[in-house]
Amino acid sequence: DVKVTQSSRYLVKRTGEKVFLECVQDMDHENMFWYRQDPGLGLRLIYFSYDVKMKEKGDIPEGYSVSREKKERFSLILESASTNQTSMYLCASSLSRGQGATGELFFGEGSRLTVL
Amino acid sequence: AQSVSQHNHHVILSEAASLELGCNYSYGGTVNLFWYVQYPGQHLQLLLKYFSGDPLVKGIKGFEAEFIKSKFSFNLRKPSVQWSDTAEYFCAVKPTGRRALTFGSGTRLQVQP
Repeated sequence: DVKVTQSSRYLVKRTGEKVFLECVQDMDHENMFWYRQDPGLGLRLIYFSYDVKMKEKGDIPEGYSVSREKKERFSLILESASTNQTSMYLCASSLSRGQGATGELFFGEGSRLTVL
Repeated sequence: AQSVSQHNHHVILSEAASLELGCNYSYGGTVNLFWYVQYPGQHLQLLLKYFSGDPLVKGIKGFEAEFIKSKFSFNLRKPSVQWSDTAEYFCAVKPTGRRALTFGSGTRLQVQP
């Protein structure tokens, strides 16, 4: 089974702090994604990566950056956390090539971030 | 703007009632379609997906969905819900050529025993 692991389930940070959210997948997927989930808004794409060191902005990239130094690891960085970044952050991965490449996403359990 | 719409935000049903959750999208061209479920305290899991072939797709736990291309719809159905179906349900679309899925706002389903 695909396993996507997010390093922290719950974090509490102060405004202005730098925040790192880590995600690791073990199925050799080319694509990795960061979404945020907010009540009534569903999931919104922040950034994604289709290869090591490659990244593309999603729909709401402002205030975030990402890093993908190794294929299995994708990090989300909040350079200076703000209260409006309080949310559930979901990491996901998917295959890019081959018969299984339907676009299906495999999700981690989420990281709930509270910014005070 | 291209989008995915789930018109039912909160649905309350009694056990054994039938369920239909609506999903419409505004992308032209070929799409892959998904329904995900999130049970309380758990991660998102795939219920079913459509990418080609028979437009009536069967998924896990007795769920099915029908792709109607002319209506840009992919509605989720279950003939008889159970209390354990209480969860949030998300429709998602991946247009051909894009890597990421676009999600709807979700429908919270509450099944009363």
